[in-house]
Amino acid sequence: GQQVMQIPQYQHVQEGEDFTTYCNSSTTLSNIQWYKQRPGGHPVFLIQLVKSGEVKKQKRLTFQFGEAKKNSSLHITATQTTDVGTYFCAGDFGNEKLTFGTGTRLTIIP
Amino acid sequence: DGGITQSPKYLFRKEGQNVTLSCEQNLNHDAMYWYRQDPGQGLRLIYYSQIVNDFQKGDIAEGYSVSREKKESFPLTVTSAQKNPTAFYLCASSISGGGDIQYFGAGTRLSVL
Repeated sequence: GQQVMQIPQYQHVQEGEDFTTYCNSSTTLSNIQWYKQRPGGHPVFLIQLVKSGEVKKQKRLTFQFGEAKKNSSLHITATQTTDVGTYFCAGDFGNEKLTFGTGTRLTIIP
Repeated sequence: DGGITQSPKYLFRKEGQNVTLSCEQNLNHDAMYWYRQDPGQGLRLIYYSQIVNDFQKGDIAEGYSVSREKKESFPLTVTSAQKNPTAFYLCASSISGGGDIQYFGAGTRLSVL
């Protein structure tokens, strides 16, 4: 079936360190989206990547879409306590719905 | 103030009882979705609807039912057939479905008494 694998499942970092989460699909995606869910909250849309090799930045966050449109990454530079939460990727396989990854839970050690 | 409203925020179900979770949106979106999230887990799709009076099963539809009589509303009923209903339920909507960006409500936490 169409699945999006996301790693790692958990990541604990010292405040100020960098963080990266990865998503991989076995088949080509039409687009990939990233969402953030704060503890106790609901997922909030961050960004959408559509083009092969696309790179987008939002302040300390850098999002990449692979050349083959099968993988993506989210990199946070110099993490802050406000970055705590679970980051989900969601792939569009060209059918009626998004397929969400399992998420990476980021905790920050002050 | 546009958005997606889920109610109630917390809900308790007794054994053998059906309960209905409300989801209303005023974004004029065609597509709506229901997800279940267990502690520390990802999002699992229960049902989705791309148009009024039509809906499809997601990955874990057993024990749940939905209706889509109005564009703005997509209520989810957790039936007594769902033996492990304790979870966080999230409703979402998008402009027209498919790979569109999804906007989520604040969720309903359901527990079994």
